[in-house]
Amino acid sequence: NAGVMQNPRHLVRRRGQEARLRCSPMKGHSHVYWYRQLPEEGLKFMVYLQKENIIDESGMPKERFSAEFPKEGPSILRIQQVVRGDSAAYFCASSPPGNEQETQYFGPGTRLLVL
Amino acid sequence: KQEVTQIPAALSVPEGENLVLNCSFTDSAIYNLQWFRQDPGKGLTSLLLIQSSQREQTSGRLNASLDKSSGRSTLYIAASQPGDSATYLCAVLSGSRLTFGEGTQLTVNP
Repeated sequence: NAGVMQNPRHLVRRRGQEARLRCSPMKGHSHVYWYRQLPEEGLKFMVYLQKENIIDESGMPKERFSAEFPKEGPSILRIQQVVRGDSAAYFCASSPPGNEQETQYFGPGTRLLVL
Repeated sequence: KQEVTQIPAALSVPEGENLVLNCSFTDSAIYNLQWFRQDPGKGLTSLLLIQSSQREQTSGRLNASLDKSSGRSTLYIAASQPGDSATYLCAVLSGSRLTFGEGTQLTVNP
């Protein structure tokens, strides 16, 4: 059973470009979470999604960031018009269907560098 | 709002020492608490998970305790080795999100 997969593992963008980060949850998992780790900081919650629904996006910046988890395919975290301050490691986690107490399993992360 | 604090921020010890990392959280309404290890530039490795109804968990040289009422957890590492050098993160699950501490950066010197 493959774990949570994220791609790309490393992404370089110039200021003003778009970044698309993908997350494939573990098989059988229907809940996806995105966390961001800024340099020298702890991980911070961004958004919680279930299939075709955003459940909690209270940790997402109000502008330029969006997330989706379509019925088919991976979850996508999209950052438009990237700025240098977006450089960070973005981690995805997934959990099985059921209540929100389920353990979250983490992917290896995508490291975004904005030049 | 849940806040998680880890003390110390950094720790350097000689090989073979036993050590304790501390974690505190402000809201005791948690589902579980988890300790992770993170190596530089790498992802998260889950070490131990303690459910809110449990008091401790053990895995090899690691032992984690949880006192939910006082909002504290400790990670005990016995007979430390240079390979234990990493950042250790504490995280609590409340609601649908994990709240992480800033981590303790551990260096074990040979």
